[in-house]
Amino acid sequence: GESVGLHLPTLSVQEGDNSIINCAYSNSASDYFIWYKQESGKGPQFIIDIRSNMDKRQGQRVTVLLNKTVKHLSLQIAATQPGDSAVYFCAESYQTGANNLFFGTGTRLTVIP
Amino acid sequence: DTAVSQTPKYLVTQMGNDKSIKCEQNLGHDTMYWYKQDSKKFLKIMFSYNNKELIINETVPNRFSPKSPDKAHLNLHINSLELGDSAVYFCASSQVGGQQFFGPGTRLTVL
Repeated sequence: GESVGLHLPTLSVQEGDNSIINCAYSNSASDYFIWYKQESGKGPQFIIDIRSNMDKRQGQRVTVLLNKTVKHLSLQIAATQPGDSAVYFCAESYQTGANNLFFGTGTRLTVIP
Repeated sequence: DTAVSQTPKYLVTQMGNDKSIKCEQNLGHDTMYWYKQDSKKFLKIMFSYNNKELIINETVPNRFSPKSPDKAHLNLHINSLELGDSAVYFCASSQVGGQQFFGPGTRLTVL
């Protein structure tokens, strides 16, 4: 699979601040992108997804931005809380009709109270 | 109720042994997966399976084999375990084209 990389392996933010986690992907054919949150000792948990026909999607306190021109994906978390501390993964899929996801290396977010 | 469950949560074994990890989903999904997460947290797809097709990541050694007794289960069998097999293994499930739900993981340690 194609690599999906992250610019920052670790990120520390103050509680209440906004967090931005970035991800670069290399396959221009990718058409579906997902952000997952993984807390210690647990499996990845779906946060938000976006398809390639969109450039922005909002959820509860989270926003995903997709820039296909530069093959860049970001996750914005508003008013970061201690419970947001986890490893965040972006994943991509480029096989229409198939579900195989290719994950990036992850960014560890630490929220400082 | 746990949507995707795995057993055991921890598995410690000697090199050369054969072991299995079980996975069950109660979501009615038609596709199940196995992922391997290494010590650097990198997650890599191993298999995806529905009742029609098994898709194997070509980098997975043939010592690994998924077995599905029914639509709700996808077990992972590993033969002749090696030190490099030590990792956390995650099962997941989804509907075709839908969001994947992950299990809690099984930490395998090969001594």
